[in-house]
Amino acid sequence: GENVEQHPSTLSVQEGDSAVIKCTYSDSASNYFPWYKQELGKGPQLIIDIRSNVGEKKDQRIAVTLNKTAKHFSLHITETQPEDSAVYFCAASDSGGGADGLTFGKGTHLIIQP
Amino acid sequence: GVTQSPTHLIKTRGQQVTLRCSSQSGHNTVSWYQQALGQGPQFIFQYYRKEENGRGNFPPRFSGLQFPNDSSELNVNALELDDSALYLCASSLSGLGANVLTFGAGSRLTVL
Repeated sequence: GENVEQHPSTLSVQEGDSAVIKCTYSDSASNYFPWYKQELGKGPQLIIDIRSNVGEKKDQRIAVTLNKTAKHFSLHITETQPEDSAVYFCAASDSGGGADGLTFGKGTHLIIQP
Repeated sequence: GVTQSPTHLIKTRGQQVTLRCSSQSGHNTVSWYQQALGQGPQFIFQYYRKEENGRGNFPPRFSGLQFPNDSSELNVNALELDDSALYLCASSLSGLGANVLTFGAGSRLTVL
C-alpha cells in the first residue's frame, strides 16, 4: 500500500517569511495529492490539491509542486501570517474513485512567530 | 458543511459505540477516518449508495451504514483501549471528486 512521509514535524518561521513542507510517497500509481490544514478542535480543511498531470499549482499565497519522477511534493506558503499557524497534512491517493481512501502524512505543526 | 455527533464520549473496554455524521448537501459519498493523537488520519472505509466500496486496514468490528439522505453511522464493537481517537467523517461527490473530501470536526472517543 501507499506510504507518505512528511517533513519537518515542526516548523517555526517569522511572520512574513516563507514556509515549505515536504512529502514523499511510495506508490508510483498515486495521482492525487491534497494538502489539509487542521486547527485545534477542528477537522482537516482542504487548502490546495494537485493531480499528477500538472507540476505546479498556485492559489494566492499557497503553492504546491509535484515531482513524479522523484515521488515528492511540497507545500509553499509565502508571506506567512499568524492565522497560518496550524497542523498541515499532506496526503496521496491512487484511486480516482476514492475507494482506497487517502493516505496521510503524520503532519507538520507550523508556528508563525510574531 | 459536515456535522458529527457526539463531539466527545467516554466508553469502557468491551462496549459498543455508534457515531453519527450528516454529509454536506449534495454529496453522495461518505468516508470515515481515525486520527490518533499526534498522527494523520487513517482511512477506515467509504460508503457510496449505501454500500461499502472501500476499506482500509481495520477489522470487521468497525462497520458502517449510509442512509438514503446520505447521513451515515460508524459502529465499533468490542472496544479496545487503542480505539481511543478522533473519528472523522468526510463527504464528497462520487467519481473523480470522490477524494476531494469535506471533513467534519470529529467525534473524540476515549476508551477506559
